[in-house]
Formats: sequence, C-alpha cells, structure tokens
Amino acid sequence: EADIYQTPRYLVIGTGKKITLECSQTMGHDKMYWYQQDPGMELHLIHYSYGVNSTEKGDLSSESTVSRIRTEHFPLTLESARPSHTSQYLCASSAGLRLYNEQFFGPGTRLTVL
Amino acid sequence: AQTVTQSQPEMSVQEAETVTLSCTYDTSESDYYLFWYKQPPSRQMILVIRQEAYKQQNATENRFSVNFQKAAKSFSLKISDSQLGDAAMYFCAYRGGSQGNLIFGKGTKLSVKP
Repeated sequence: EADIYQTPRYLVIGTGKKITLECSQTMGHDKMYWYQQDPGMELHLIHYSYGVNSTEKGDLSSESTVSRIRTEHFPLTLESARPSHTSQYLCASSAGLRLYNEQFFGPGTRLTVL
Repeated sequence: AQTVTQSQPEMSVQEAETVTLSCTYDTSESDYYLFWYKQPPSRQMILVIRQEAYKQQNATENRFSVNFQKAAKSFSLKISDSQLGDAAMYFCAYRGGSQGNLIFGKGTKLSVKP
C-alpha cells in the first residue's frame, strides 16, 4: 500500500466545531490533493498543492481551507462544521507534474457532522 | 471542459468469467492519460491500469486490459478470470491539461458472484 496516511479515519462531531483532517505522505511527493466523495459517488477535487506554500482551489467549491508548510503534510481545516460537510475526504499525492504520474490515495476520513 | 462518463452504475460477474466496464470521455486535448482506479470497500483507492493517449497499443496488467478507442473517445476496462477480490468501485479518470488534475467518472460498482 501507498505511504500516505490520514487521521482520523472516522470523526463524528457537532455543528459549529472546528476540525482539522490530517494527511501525511512519506514519498517526498510535490503535489498533494484533497477530494470529497459522498458514498458510492465520484470524487470531486476541492484543493491541491504544487509544493510548499502553494495551495489552489479545486473544481468543487468548499468552505474548507488547506495549508502546505511542509512537503509531507497537507492538513484540511473546517472552521465551523455543518451537516452539509458530512462526507468522505480523501487525500492523495503524486510525484511532480507529469501526466503519467500515478496519484496515490490515503485511506480517507469519514466525517459526520450532527 | 473535459468530462468522463461511466454509464454502468453497477455490474455483476460470475467468478472466473470476464467483464467489461465502459468509459467514455470528452476532450479537445491531444496529450492526456487515462486511468482506471479501484476502490474496494473500506480500503484505499489503487491504480489498476493507465493508458497514454499517443500510444495505439492497449495497456495490459495481468488480468486487466483496456480497449482504447481514441477516435471514439472510449476507454473500457476488461477484467478476465474475475476473482472475488475484484469486487469494488471502479473509477475511470482523465488527466490532461496544464494543471494535470484527475477528472473522475461517477464509478461502476462491480460485484463478483461465487
């Protein structure tokens, strides 16, 4: 399996709480991604990063924010969680910008906001 | 904008038989890659197979092969000698353009009957 980790794996939290989803990879990959995936549905890109201090918004608008202070770490933060944020969040990484490069995925965080 | 369409929400195959999952895409780009990813229940998404657009030869990885029809913009996945472990969601994905982000189809849920 790929060396990309996400914590927590499952999170149930009340409305209005601030949460941070952690993602780390040990492969030295430059590019990292966050996807949102509802059960049984396609993945939607919400954030990506080309490298340290680089963050971009993806195709799907999201109220979450991300940071990339270290190459290996790409956390996602929700300042005030709402039930509409309930979903699975997948982190991924790839080595550089070549189209050929495979994206490696983490196990995901399943978030439930009550 | 590029789009990826998987017209089969669910498919079923008998163990040891062959199944083909369909994928079509729309693009005006000439340089791109196509991927099939597998997402087993509660497990990490992994790459099954990839195809470079400029290669006419269809990619093959053990029991997995693709039928790439560039003019028709079709990229189907054939799984031979299906095994119980093949049961999963299968996502077709396109990667091209200056940003090189993946665009996913809605997925096909494959069931394997013993």
